[in-house]
Amino acid sequence: QKEVEQNSGPLSVPEGAIASLNCTYSDRGSQSFFWYRQYSGKSPELIMSIYSNGDKEDGRFTAQLNKASQYVSLLIRDSQPSDSATYLCAVKVLGGSYIPTFGRGTSLIVHP
Amino acid sequence: TAGITQAPTSQILAAGRSMTLRCTQDMRHNAMYWYRQDLGLGLRLIHYSNTAGTTGKGEVPDGYSVSRANTDDFPLTLASAVPSQTSVYFCASSDRRNTGELFFGEGSRLTVL
Repeated sequence: QKEVEQNSGPLSVPEGAIASLNCTYSDRGSQSFFWYRQYSGKSPELIMSIYSNGDKEDGRFTAQLNKASQYVSLLIRDSQPSDSATYLCAVKVLGGSYIPTFGRGTSLIVHP
Repeated sequence: TAGITQAPTSQILAAGRSMTLRCTQDMRHNAMYWYRQDLGLGLRLIHYSNTAGTTGKGEVPDGYSVSRANTDDFPLTLASAVPSQTSVYFCASSDRRNTGELFFGEGSRLTVL
């Protein structure tokens, strides 16, 4: 079992709706959490990072972290067709090699 | 701004041949990484380097080697390519203080026949 789990999707939402992307992780020592967006045929791009429990908002994006339940989510408000992409969750454990572990990604489709 | 430059963008290679994927960054980042991405398997770490002169093995290092002679360059070499190494390869870098925040190159698509 991979240490970082995501539903592969695709998650399909109508334009203007809220898209909710979820990620669970197995290592309770995880300290840092990241969301990357990857358009088809392109490279991943960091869009959010979160380090403490609770919500972190950046424009239409909100990252939510719950360390007790070992999940991190990404909410995209007022979804646009341009948000259609694969969203990768990454988790970094304190200590060790300090390299984040990636989930396999969730494909999001926002249809007009 | 260039960021991270990978070359070649794509390549078709005969099995058994050697190949070096080049990666250069201009951000003076300490850490650099090589990932491969395959459908359904996500990003898998091949090798990494926390600083010039040091390298480490990732999740799938077999068949690959790296070197880090200086801060900017981190080439990935396939000594004798096999078809299972057909993949998209991404080079990435990060600042030592924020090693979870990776900057990726545009990728190199390699096909081994």
